Amino acid sequence: DAMVIQNPRYQVTQFGKPVTLSCSQTLNHNVMYWYQQKSSQAPKLLFHYYDKDFNNEADTPDNFQSRRPNTSFCFLDIRSPGLGDAAMYLCATSSDRSGANVLTFGAGSRLTVL
Amino acid sequence: GQNIDQPTEMTATEGAIVQINCTYQTSGFNGLFWYQQHAGEAPTFLSYNVLDGLEEKGRFSSFLSRSKGYSYLLLKELQMKDSASYLCAVRDSNYQLIWGAGTKLIIKP
Repeated sequence: DAMVIQNPRYQVTQFGKPVTLSCSQTLNHNVMYWYQQKSSQAPKLLFHYYDKDFNNEADTPDNFQSRRPNTSFCFLDIRSPGLGDAAMYLCATSSDRSGANVLTFGAGSRLTVL
Repeated sequence: GQNIDQPTEMTATEGAIVQINCTYQTSGFNGLFWYQQHAGEAPTFLSYNVLDGLEEKGRFSSFLSRSKGYSYLLLKELQMKDSASYLCAVRDSNYQLIWGAGTKLIIKP
């Protein structure tokens, strides 16, 4: 089945220790998104790629970086995690950014910072 | 600013009907989505409305009134597995998705 796969599902790190989360997709979608979601809050868009074009949200901290080496893979790097970065990180894809294009989400990576 | 409002939590009984409301103020409108999210899991797509009116899909229906900036999700014949959060999201004139914080629906036997 075509899908969006995130690894790891659960990540525990220490304060300040870098973390990389990965996302792969078999849908051949052009757009890949990274969202941060904290408990009972709306998903917060960190950045997205439209093909190779990187789009950073204005309020995304510099601590968060992303790479998309090819269509299928996207990575989220958190350079120096703080306690406030503990959250669920959701990767999503869509074929385009407009209209009825539905986002397909991965199962998420839950980050704990000690 | 852009804003989506949904009730924080609702409770309903198994077998009953529940309506979850969503009001929005956004810079333009290019469609409204409803997603279901079980605890600790990713959101899954339920419905999309871009024109006024009711879209029915099995036990779930979604309604849109663009002039009122209002939508609702109607769930019929509630089952225990419907216990989840329901997220409303609007695509604005820049094609950005604006998300609500979600409505946690608790189903009681």
